[in-house]
Amino acid sequence: DTEVTQTPKHLVMGMTNKKSLKCEQHMGHRAMYWYKQKAKKPPELMFVYSYEKLSINESVPSRFSPECPNSSLLNLHLHALQPEDSALYLCASSRSGLAGAGEQFFGPGTRLTVL
Amino acid sequence: SQQGEEDPQALSIQEGENATMNCSYKTSINNLQWYRQNSGRGLVHLILIRSNEREKHSGRLRVTLDTSKKSSSLLITASRAADTASYFCATDRDNSGGSNYKLTFGKGTLLTVNP
Repeated sequence: DTEVTQTPKHLVMGMTNKKSLKCEQHMGHRAMYWYKQKAKKPPELMFVYSYEKLSINESVPSRFSPECPNSSLLNLHLHALQPEDSALYLCASSRSGLAGAGEQFFGPGTRLTVL
Repeated sequence: SQQGEEDPQALSIQEGENATMNCSYKTSINNLQWYRQNSGRGLVHLILIRSNEREKHSGRLRVTLDTSKKSSSLLITASRAADTASYFCATDRDNSGGSNYKLTFGKGTLLTVNP
């Protein structure tokens, strides 16, 4: 299995909702990432988990809460989001626990719309 | 500030022609990578070139790296309509004391290959 899967593909939520994005990989990769991508912009790093521990938080607002239950799973819990949080959320993983070093494998993304 | 900057921002060519995209960056790097993204989808890794390498080939792709000028180029030869996508360079550099490298993407080049 050489892919990163993400669910759901699309998500529409209100500003008072609580929802979660899920990401899974079975490649034995030791680092996992969340990126946010607005239209016609590059991906922006949000969080990095290395060996299941949060190693980078790019000053992301607390309404985004990451969780790494095990080495294969990565969640992003969403609460009280704003319309400007609407974006494509990408999950990625990499072989090395040295987060960022080397090739990253991306999932297809979750298209999030906040009403 | 953005680590990588691609130019041109958009490039339109005919099938069979070559496409060249350039990337410049600001700080010293460990390696530079190129990714492709089809519209609204996840990113696909194309090639990685290390800071001590000057040129690398993979199929129809040729990447060069000039660390003295802090720049890289991606050449796609004999382009096909299926090459239509956004292309991003990404650099990593030490985020903290030799670990937790962070991957930073450039703004991207939108390549359109017309049949």
